[in-house]
Amino acid sequence: LAKTTQPISMDSYEGQEVNITCSHNNIATNDYITWYQQFPSQGPRFIIQGYKTKVTNEVASLFIPADRKSSTLSLPRVSLSDTAVYYCLVGDRNTGFQKLVFGTGTRLLVSP
Amino acid sequence: DAGVIQSPRHEVTEMGQEVTLRCKPISGHNSLFWYRQTMMRGLELLIYFNNNVPIDDSGMPEDRFSAKMPNASFSTLKIQPSEPRDSAVYFCASREEGAWVNEQFFGPGTRLTVL
Repeated sequence: LAKTTQPISMDSYEGQEVNITCSHNNIATNDYITWYQQFPSQGPRFIIQGYKTKVTNEVASLFIPADRKSSTLSLPRVSLSDTAVYYCLVGDRNTGFQKLVFGTGTRLLVSP
Repeated sequence: DAGVIQSPRHEVTEMGQEVTLRCKPISGHNSLFWYRQTMMRGLELLIYFNNNVPIDDSGMPEDRFSAKMPNASFSTLKIQPSEPRDSAVYFCASREEGAWVNEQFFGPGTRLTVL
């Protein structure tokens, strides 16, 4: 399983764009990159998944460079409710993503 | 669908007692996962099942922990005997096997306190 490294914490203000970068230097060919969000006292929730280039949904965008050794989760115009822990995970689609390894995550604090 | 259902939501027990945590996965999901979360160790995968069969239990801390999935709609995680260091939030998650998206659906968790 590829190891991921991401900042422990980040601070932002309402209305700003937040970019959280995750490093996964030993990512394998069949690995996909997934991001989860966890609010206090709740279980993690899937945000977005990608393999390469850019993926966008109603919540976030995910940017993956050609070498795939890192990825950046972009949250546009954050609000106070985006305060949460964000986890970057790498998983093998061929094995059905069965074993998710959550690292320490990035604790995002959004202030007024 | 009601999502993943876990019970109880909170459990306080004394050291040495048996604790049983329960989980009902989302209907139609045939993969089920048990996690434990603490401040010190973060979110750890304990065990996961595919079609009611345990696939990987390498994350189970020790023999005091056991998990079962007697049918597709129910799973239990048992700790016997419990110890204070078992205090944590235990999450159950389910997933549709074969889905190309790496999306697990987590329950609300059970906060366990062992005194």
